Amino acid sequence: EIVLTQSPGTLSLFPGERATLSCRASQSVSSSDLAWYQQKPGQAPRLLIYGASSRATDIPDRFSGSGSGTDFTLTISRLEPEDFAVYYCQKYGTSPPLTFGGGTTVDIK
Amino acid sequence: EGQLVQSGGGLVKPGGSLRLSCAASGFTFKDAWMNWVRQAPGKGLEWVGRIKSKFDGGTIDYAAPLKDKFTISRDDSKNTLFLEMNSLKTDDTAVYYCTMHWNDKRWFDLWGQGTLVTVSS
Repeated sequence: EIVLTQSPGTLSLFPGERATLSCRASQSVSSSDLAWYQQKPGQAPRLLIYGASSRATDIPDRFSGSGSGTDFTLTISRLEPEDFAVYYCQKYGTSPPLTFGGGTTVDIK
Repeated sequence: EGQLVQSGGGLVKPGGSLRLSCAASGFTFKDAWMNWVRQAPGKGLEWVGRIKSKFDGGTIDYAAPLKDKFTISRDDSKNTLFLEMNSLKTDDTAVYYCTMHWNDKRWFDLWGQGTLVTVSS
């Protein structure tokens, strides 16, 4: 089973700053099978990025994904007030389990 | 636009059972692969299991720790997904989400609103 480790656990930043979130896999993951989600309190997760780097519908271009193999990154170029939330990476694809990382909380400094 | 509306959560005693439902609309349910994901209070997301479309074989996969107590099923005639939970323990307390994807697009881009299951005496 592939384990996804996200870091840091919490990222404290000011609005307007750049956020860099890491997702490291215990084994190589196909880039086509890596997604990022955003979750706000009391809400269901929302898809941000799929295929490691493709933005989902209506996702602003300040969100970008990159990486391959075992190291993936979600970057938020300039944090807006609505971006303070928890972010999860996920390995999906054909073969279960479809694991999630432990999450990174981006909060206001 | 697609929608998933969940029902069936609530309070159940340890050792009890509960069935959750997820009603789909706005997309071709019978072609979708459906998943359950749960989230314990203050914790991260945990994949519970998945049922493929009948066209793709209808295979059901579970997270290993849950396969003997949870059962996923679907009724394509009613556009509804189910999660039957048995022998519930306090650590099964969580918000349960249903979510869908397509065979060739396996990211989760549509989620239900979530339903809270509380296991407590």
